[in-house]
Amino acid sequence: GAGVSQSPSNKVTEKGKDVELRCDPISGHTALYWYRQSLGQGLEFLIYFQGNSAPDKSGLPSDRFSAERTGGSVSTLTIQRTQQEDSAVYLCASSSYRGGYGYTFGSGTRLTVV
Amino acid sequence: GENVEQHPSTLSVQEGDSAVIKCTYSDSASNYFPWYKQELGKRPQLIIDIRSNVGEKKDQRIAVTLNKTAKHFSLHITETQPEDSAVYFCAAPQRGSQGNLIFGKGTKLSVKP
Repeated sequence: GAGVSQSPSNKVTEKGKDVELRCDPISGHTALYWYRQSLGQGLEFLIYFQGNSAPDKSGLPSDRFSAERTGGSVSTLTIQRTQQEDSAVYLCASSSYRGGYGYTFGSGTRLTVV
Repeated sequence: GENVEQHPSTLSVQEGDSAVIKCTYSDSASNYFPWYKQELGKRPQLIIDIRSNVGEKKDQRIAVTLNKTAKHFSLHITETQPEDSAVYFCAAPQRGSQGNLIFGKGTKLSVKP
């Protein structure tokens, strides 16, 4: 596609429910990243994929968070048993390079846990 | 791992003045330093970057300088305009990773007309 696409753009969920966030990277981009941005805060790294594999899962905040990527393209970030502190904007970025070069961000999914 | 500190957290300038935002990093092996601009409600966008083999890079009103010895890099915006108002993030690659960036906490720049 022309850019990184994320869906849904907004999600309101009840505490304790599971949510799935989707990221569709730029076609051909092998690297894909998930970040979390809490209100007025910086960008917290969650997980990185190179192709379908995730060599670095150190940023996931708890075992309620998981992510997968299939076909070297679309990625889903799943949050189980959501808590209010999970409320944030979840940003996805993709790149055709390693080393942090050439990130293109999606518009994000604003998650609100009530 | 890499640690990136960014200052100031907020910056207010008059239109036409210059703005400077500074970042320090901890990993002396880091070799790539991008800056992102995030307007309210929008995605972060890359505005300029610098690699460790140069000390300065300029693009119109925006410049970035790098001091590898001191492990800091700075964003300079000259002749600021109201549309420069945004949150600016610096970043550096995480040690040992194959590609993820570690971001500073951000600087909210306000340019007053």
